[in-house]
Amino acid sequence: DGGITQSPKYLFRKEGQNVTLSCEQNLNHDAMYWYRQDPGQGLRLIYYSQIVNDFQKGDIAEGYSVSREKKESFPLTVTSAQKNPTAFYLCASSIELGGETQYFGPGTRLLVL
Amino acid sequence: GEDVEQSLFLSVREGDSSVINCTYTDSSSTYLYWYKQEPGAGLQLLTYIFSNMDMKQDQRLTVLLNKKDKHLSLRIADTQTGDSAIYFCAEIAGNMLTFGGGTRLMVKP
Repeated sequence: DGGITQSPKYLFRKEGQNVTLSCEQNLNHDAMYWYRQDPGQGLRLIYYSQIVNDFQKGDIAEGYSVSREKKESFPLTVTSAQKNPTAFYLCASSIELGGETQYFGPGTRLLVL
Repeated sequence: GEDVEQSLFLSVREGDSSVINCTYTDSSSTYLYWYKQEPGAGLQLLTYIFSNMDMKQDQRLTVLLNKKDKHLSLRIADTQTGDSAIYFCAEIAGNMLTFGGGTRLMVKP
């Protein structure tokens, strides 16, 4: 089955801790994206990657970091610098950047202890 | 910057039609999308329309595009309780997908 997977489904973070959210796709898509969704709100773009070894900041990149060492993987690290990390995080991918349909993973809910 | 707007809530009775509206700002958008999000889940692509089309029909879903007014709508015929979800419209602006805030559709039995 082709698709996008995210893990874990729920993640708890302690104060001062960095946590990493996993996103994997087997759709052979070049572009991948991370969005943050707060309750009752739309999606805001954190980071995106057009191709392997490339990534760019989105609208709310502060306190987050990413890597794109493999085409199929785009992990997101929520660092201790992100003061309000509680949210639902969605990963997406598309064949190429811009003008193409984005397909979404099931999401990871991050909660702060 | 670009802004995509939707009303927050829509309540309908089971079996009625639902119409969810969206306004967008970028007249150069090439594609416009409708996504569905069920509670605690990711976004599911429902349908999309190319900007040179006025209408697209896909089973119970009808998308209408009014480019002059930059208005997009999604009509769901014979709405069922399983259609209860948040519906997001989105436009391609530049190279990025810009989302509306979502419309929560509530279906009453």
